[in-house]
Amino acid sequence: GNSVTQMEGPVTLSEEAFLTINCTYTATGYPSLFWYVQYPGEGLQLLLKATKADDKGSNKGFEATYRKETTSFHLEKGSVQVSDSAVYFCALRNGGSQGNLIFGKGTKLSVKP
Amino acid sequence: KAGVTQTPRYLIKTRGQQVTLSCSPISGHRSVSWYQQTPGQGLQFLFEYFSETQRNKGNFPGRFSGRQFSNSRSEMNVSTLELGDSALYLCASSPGDAHHGYTFGSGTRLTVV
Repeated sequence: GNSVTQMEGPVTLSEEAFLTINCTYTATGYPSLFWYVQYPGEGLQLLLKATKADDKGSNKGFEATYRKETTSFHLEKGSVQVSDSAVYFCALRNGGSQGNLIFGKGTKLSVKP
Repeated sequence: KAGVTQTPRYLIKTRGQQVTLSCSPISGHRSVSWYQQTPGQGLQFLFEYFSETQRNKGNFPGRFSGRQFSNSRSEMNVSTLELGDSALYLCASSPGDAHHGYTFGSGTRLTVV
C-alpha cells in the first residue's frame, strides 16, 4: 500500500542554520507529493508541492525535489528563522478520483534565537 | 477569498452522545475531505465527498458518517462517542483534481469526557 516515512523529530536548530527533513514514500503509480506545515493550535497549511518526477516545489525559502529514483521528497531551507518553528508533514496523493492524502507522522521543528 | 471554515472550534461531549461538525469549503471547491488528528495515530483519512457523493472512505467504524450539501458544505457526524474519539478533526477542500493539494480549515477540537 501507499505510505510516507518521515525522519523522527524533534529537530532543534539555531537561527540561520540549514534545515533538512527527510521524507521517503511508497506508492503505486505516479503520486503528487506535498509538504504541509502546522503551527500550534492551527490546521495544516500547504507549504509546497510537486506533481511529477524531477519537479521542484518551493515557497518561503523552502524547497523539495521529487526524486522518483530514490522515492524521496526531502524538505530543505538554507537559513531557518524562529518563526519556522512548527510541525512539518510530508504527504502523497495518488492520481485518480479516489486519491486521498496519506501523511507521514510529522516532524517537529524548534528554532532557537 | 475566504478559506475553509470549520465550526465549532472547540467542543466537549460526554461518552455516548453524538456530535455534528460543520465545514464550509472554499468557494468553487467541490471536494471536501475529513481527517482525524491524534497524537498517537497522526493524521488519518475519514472520508471524501465530491458533488454530494462519497467517493472515498477511510478505515473508520460506521459511527463516523458524513454528508455534503448542494452548496458543497459538509457535515460529519459521530454517534455514540467514545473517549478515543477525542481528537482534532480537520476538514479540507480541493477543486477535485488529484494533483491539487487540499486547503485545510483550522479544525474542530473535540474532547470526549
